[in-house]
Amino acid sequence: QKEVEQNSGPLSVPEGAIASLNCTYSDRGSQSFFWYRQYSGKSPELIMFIYSNGDKEDGRFTAQLNKASQYVSLLIRDSQPSDSATYLCAVNIGNDYKLSFGAGTTVTVRA
Amino acid sequence: DAGITQSPRHKVTETGTPVTLRCHQTENHRYMYWYRQDPGHGLRLIHYSYGVKDTDKGEVSDGYSVSRSKTEDFLLTLESATSSQTSVYFCAISESSYQETQYFGPGTRLLVL
Repeated sequence: QKEVEQNSGPLSVPEGAIASLNCTYSDRGSQSFFWYRQYSGKSPELIMFIYSNGDKEDGRFTAQLNKASQYVSLLIRDSQPSDSATYLCAVNIGNDYKLSFGAGTTVTVRA
Repeated sequence: DAGITQSPRHKVTETGTPVTLRCHQTENHRYMYWYRQDPGHGLRLIHYSYGVKDTDKGEVSDGYSVSRSKTEDFLLTLESATSSQTSVYFCAISESSYQETQYFGPGTRLLVL
C-alpha cells in the first residue's frame, strides 16, 4: 500500500464549478498535510497546509482534514482556467520532516 | 519565491558517465532534499540533509550519492548514469521541523542515453 494515495484523474470541471480532490494516507502518526500545485513543466508550489482536524479556508481553496479516517481533501471553488494543473498531496511521515507525496491529480477547467 | 537555484537546468548524458547536479539556496535553511519526479510516481525522495555534512537516504537512493559541505549547497551525484535515471530532479529546502513547508527549486531535466 502506498503511503499517500490520491484519487485518479484527470478531473475535468467547468469554469465556475467546484473541483474536489481527495487524498488518503497510511501513517496514523502523520501530523502535517500539504497541498501543492504544479503547472506543466514547472516546480511544485504550495497552496495550503493543514495540521488540525476540520476545515481551513484560503480564498477559493479549502482544505479538509479528518485524521480518524486518514484523509485530507482540497476543494477549489469557482474554478478558473488558471487552476488547470496537477495537484499533489503531501504528508509528513510520522514525527519526521520527510514528506511522502501522492502521484497527483490533474485538473482541467473547461472554459 | 524562495531563493533556490539548480544547475544545470537541462542535461543530456550517456550511460555510464558520472553526473553531478547542484542545488544552491540563499535562505540559510537547515534542511535540503533531492527528489525525482517520474510519470505515475509523483515525487520520490532520493536523499536529504539536515545540516552540513549530515545526510541520509530516502526511498530511492540506490545509484545516487550526495554531499553538503556548506549550508547553501547540496550536490547530487549519479555515480554511473543509467537510462532508468532519466527524470526530472527537484531540490527542496525547509527551515526546520515537520510543520515547515518545503519549497522547491526550478528542477533539472536529465536525459541519459
